[in-house]
Amino acid sequence: AQSVSQHNHHVILSEAASLELGCNYSYGGTVNLFWYVQYPGQHLQLLLKYFSGDPLVKGIKGFEAEFIKSKFSFNLRKPSVQWSDTAEYFCAVIQVSGYALNFGKGTSLLVTP
Amino acid sequence: EPEVTQTPSHQVTQMGQEVILRCVPISNHLYFYWYRQILGQKVEFLVSFYNNEISEKSEIFDDQFSVERPDGSNFTLKIRSTKLEDSAMYFCAGSIRGGSSYEQYFGPGTRLTVT
Repeated sequence: AQSVSQHNHHVILSEAASLELGCNYSYGGTVNLFWYVQYPGQHLQLLLKYFSGDPLVKGIKGFEAEFIKSKFSFNLRKPSVQWSDTAEYFCAVIQVSGYALNFGKGTSLLVTP
Repeated sequence: EPEVTQTPSHQVTQMGQEVILRCVPISNHLYFYWYRQILGQKVEFLVSFYNNEISEKSEIFDDQFSVERPDGSNFTLKIRSTKLEDSAMYFCAGSIRGGSSYEQYFGPGTRLTVT
């Protein structure tokens, strides 16, 4: 069955700490991968995406993610978080031939001053 | 920057009633989607829509659900006879083109509460 797993449901970090959020997927066939973020009171917005090529992709606000095909993983990283990064983070996968984003359950990140 | 808008932000309805959730996508988007998120669960795909036809739908999108683009700007999701388990946040999204390579832009959501 197709699935997307995010292992960390709640993460609390101090400002300037490094962040890594895990995402693993189980899918047959070729997929495209996304990380979306939802800031408090706002809508889902795209952080970054991977389609092909360099497995290390950079997104907005200093975020990056690494696609490791052999591990079916697409982990999100940021070297130094800020208070404004407090949000819910969603990993999503879509089959290359499809229209439907399949989301993970999300990780709630709280950054404390 | 153009945004997807959804109305109402919160809808309360009684079980068995019909509800229509409305969305105004970004004007140059051609593909439209509905997703939902039940409290504490993940965001789930319901349906995608292009050129007045459903292009893909999930198992959740049964005969109780329908979508429509009644005019050039609105995109609606109708639930004919709501059930308690339909209580969720419903998100509308749009993209310039269909397929996996195009970013889907999401609205703020409508919280549906069925009592």
